[in-house]
Amino acid sequence: EAGVTQSPTHLIKTRGQQATLRCSPISGHTSVYWYQQALGLGLQFLLWYEEGEERNRGNFPPRFSGRQFPNYSSELNVNALELEDSALYLCASSRSNQPQHFGDGTRLSIL
Amino acid sequence: AQSVTQLDSHVSVSEGTPVLLRCNYSSSYSPSLFWYVQHPNKGLQLLLKYTSAATLVKGINGFEAEFKKSETSFHLTKPSAHMSDAAEYFCVVSDPPRNQGGKLIFGQGTELSVKP
Repeated sequence: EAGVTQSPTHLIKTRGQQATLRCSPISGHTSVYWYQQALGLGLQFLLWYEEGEERNRGNFPPRFSGRQFPNYSSELNVNALELEDSALYLCASSRSNQPQHFGDGTRLSIL
Repeated sequence: AQSVTQLDSHVSVSEGTPVLLRCNYSSSYSPSLFWYVQHPNKGLQLLLKYTSAATLVKGINGFEAEFKKSETSFHLTKPSAHMSDAAEYFCVVSDPPRNQGGKLIFGQGTELSVKP
């Protein structure tokens, strides 16, 4: 069974640009979660999508947004990038009421 | 509100000796608790989960954890450390509880070093 896959592995942007991160869940998983792992801030919940709908959102500004497609894959978009957005962005997927399984992440660097 | 506190930011053990990583939780309900491990430049791997079925939970790679309601603790143990166990370990609670589809709240992590 293929795991959660994220692309790209690394992404380098400059301040003010926009970034798009992608996630493909494990086959059969309908929920996708996004987390940010920033140096010194730990792992923080960003977004939760289930059946194409946003179910919950963490304490992040509106320039962090995303969507879930009919095939359950997901995109995370970050607009107007700031230096403090530099972090590892982790995607996880799960079946309903089952534990979350994580991908290896996208490392976003803002110059 | 749900929260977890990992009591040690760094633990160092010798290969072949026991491992103890400590975690306390705070919850208004019966919690759903997890331990995840993160190796360098990798994502998180689920080690084990507690969902009220049994207080002693066995996980992968010889790890286990005991849920103690009276102490609000969920410590992770392993009888004998292996070099490959060196990684960062996260104690995690699901919010809302009893629903593993909810968002995860992470402790600050414990870095485990294993000396030869």
